[in-house]
Amino acid sequence: GAVVSQHPSRVICKSGTSVKIECRSLDFQATTMFWYRQFPKKSLMLMATSNEGSKATYEQGVEKDKFLINHASLTLSTLTVTSAHPEDSSFYICSARGTEKVYGYTFGSGTRLTVV
Amino acid sequence: GENVEQHPSTLSVQEGDSAVIKCTYSDSASNYFPWYKQELGKGPQLIIDIRSNVGEKKDQRIAVTLNKTAKHFSLHITETQPEDSAVYFCAASNTGFQKLVFGTGTRLLVSP
Repeated sequence: GAVVSQHPSRVICKSGTSVKIECRSLDFQATTMFWYRQFPKKSLMLMATSNEGSKATYEQGVEKDKFLINHASLTLSTLTVTSAHPEDSSFYICSARGTEKVYGYTFGSGTRLTVV
Repeated sequence: GENVEQHPSTLSVQEGDSAVIKCTYSDSASNYFPWYKQELGKGPQLIIDIRSNVGEKKDQRIAVTLNKTAKHFSLHITETQPEDSAVYFCAASNTGFQKLVFGTGTRLLVSP
């Protein structure tokens, strides 16, 4: 089945630094990748949608300059949290959808970001 | 845009009982409805999904029903087991699968 690998699973960084999270589709080509943010005991909130080779489309209220998304290949998308602050601490999850006529979205295992 | 509501927010059952979680959606153009199980500290895992041209789908102890007219769909888990305890999310996707909108989640607790 479709597998999406997300790294790192946990990261702690200092305020003001940047953190990069990777999302890879291991056995399929992902034309579209999605990045979500999840607060404790809350639902997944879509941050942005990225199509390979195109600029990401951000949801309303999501800062483009703070959350940089790159989808340079059909198997890799990255989310960079720039100049991180404690309020950016959260659980970030990526999801990928393939090129084939296969319905569904495959999710990564998530990244727990803690900014100290 | 699409809005998905989910009830109940918490559900406690005894092992062996059935559990039902219900969702409603607002966009009549939505045509794909997956259900996810999320365990603590992990990403969502697809447990079952249904497309708008089907009214019901079953996979062992799990079933999903869809009523397009009423714009609601439900997850049914029979013979619940303690390992079914988790948070369950419903979701809806519009035509072209450009965006997946999640419900608010249901915390299911199955007591031995």
